[in-house]
Amino acid sequence: EERLVQSGAEVKKPGESLKISCKGSEDTFTNYWIGWVRLMPGKGLEWMGAIFPRDSETRYSPSSEGQVSISVDRSMNTAYLQWRSLKTSDTATYYCARRKMEIVDTRVYYYGMDVWGQGTTVTVSS
Amino acid sequence: QSALTQPRSVSGSPGQSVTISCTDTSSDVGGGYDYVSWYQQHPGKTPKLILYDVNKRPSGVPDHFSGSKSGNTASLTISGLQAEHEADYYCCSYVGNYVWVFGGGTKLTVL
Repeated sequence: EERLVQSGAEVKKPGESLKISCKGSEDTFTNYWIGWVRLMPGKGLEWMGAIFPRDSETRYSPSSEGQVSISVDRSMNTAYLQWRSLKTSDTATYYCARRKMEIVDTRVYYYGMDVWGQGTTVTVSS
Repeated sequence: QSALTQPRSVSGSPGQSVTISCTDTSSDVGGGYDYVSWYQQHPGKTPKLILYDVNKRPSGVPDHFSGSKSGNTASLTISGLQAEHEADYYCCSYVGNYVWVFGGGTKLTVL
């Protein structure tokens, strides 16, 4: 059974940097987009952005653009979500999830996010 | 970017059916395609995909979960409510250019 394994919980101070990770299989990192989803305390899920590891194409939601950076190390089958300067409002649980993409007769098909990481809790407090 | 509106809460008794709506306030939900998916999340647990492409169920998801779409509104129907269905439910829609958006989430209470 496919899994995505995320790095452990983090406690940071405002202004500090952070990089969390999400590791999967070679198949996942070849044929799927890897997305990051945030769950803030008392709030709903928020799609932040995603990367297609095969070519490192990256997309961000308008609210995440410029706030975080998504990257990948294909040799490690690992995706990353990174902050240069954390804010207290970044306190949340962050999930990675994969979404399959297929190209059939030049049309691109997307599927649901079928495998999720276990979540990484990030606490930012002075 | 589009916004997806869901009711904050719905409730039903065991055995009943409930429907959760997901309305795109600015355009055709699914981004002009049928790229609407639904996720179930129990408290403290990882989200779980229950429907994709409006009404397709992944392997292992029971058929009492069903979906539909009409214009700018997608719907999730859960029939034969059970206590285990009590959870938060989120719709997710394609916006375009590989950008996606979640609805605000709906808390389902089984009475």
